[in-house]
Amino acid sequence: GQQVMQIPQYQHVQEGEDFTTYCNSSTTLSNIQWYKQRPGGHPVFLIQLVKSGEVKKQKRLTFQFGEAKKNSSLHITATQTTDVGTYFCYAGGTSYGKLTFGQGTILTVHP
Amino acid sequence: EAQVTQNPRYLITVTGKKLTVTCSQNMNHEYMSWYRQDPGLGLRQIYYSMNVEVTDKGDVPEGYKVSRKEKRNFPLILESPSPNQTSLYFCASSLGGGNLNTIYFGEGSWLTVV
Repeated sequence: GQQVMQIPQYQHVQEGEDFTTYCNSSTTLSNIQWYKQRPGGHPVFLIQLVKSGEVKKQKRLTFQFGEAKKNSSLHITATQTTDVGTYFCYAGGTSYGKLTFGQGTILTVHP
Repeated sequence: EAQVTQNPRYLITVTGKKLTVTCSQNMNHEYMSWYRQDPGLGLRQIYYSMNVEVTDKGDVPEGYKVSRKEKRNFPLILESPSPNQTSLYFCASSLGGGNLNTIYFGEGSWLTVV
């Protein structure tokens, strides 16, 4: 898998504020996947992006894949306490089998 | 129900005492993998297996062994555990090892080595 930098590492927001996490790569990616891990839980697949410039939405979550396919973002509008957890990106490249995740962004939402 | 099952979920052991964490999936997936999760370091891949009898090192394989004798099982073996292997471990599986397949994770195994 490709190496990606995920920022920020931590984000604290008040309920109702927006949140964005970013995944950045120095090389072109074939695809990117996003996962969510609730506190005490395991990572769960959210979505996959494959096309350049692709934008997908899941209710309050918006996922984008950059035009150059080197970066991606996950944006949450009007956060809720149910959004707390760690968000991971997984970036697909040319390595088959060695699947590498970003470091994750830990989101805390204060009610 | 499609799932990845790990055991034990929680374990406290002593340095040097061999242990095995089992992993089983019921989705007929070819690809299986082990990760460890540590604060600030995200998910780091330990070993992976593309199919039966085929295993390869991930990013942090030192101190671990794996085997893939059957398609559904992928145990993680710590021959001589040390305190720096205290971590949260996840087993994962997917249809194949390619980039486009969804990865399914087990519930995790908390391991403490004292």
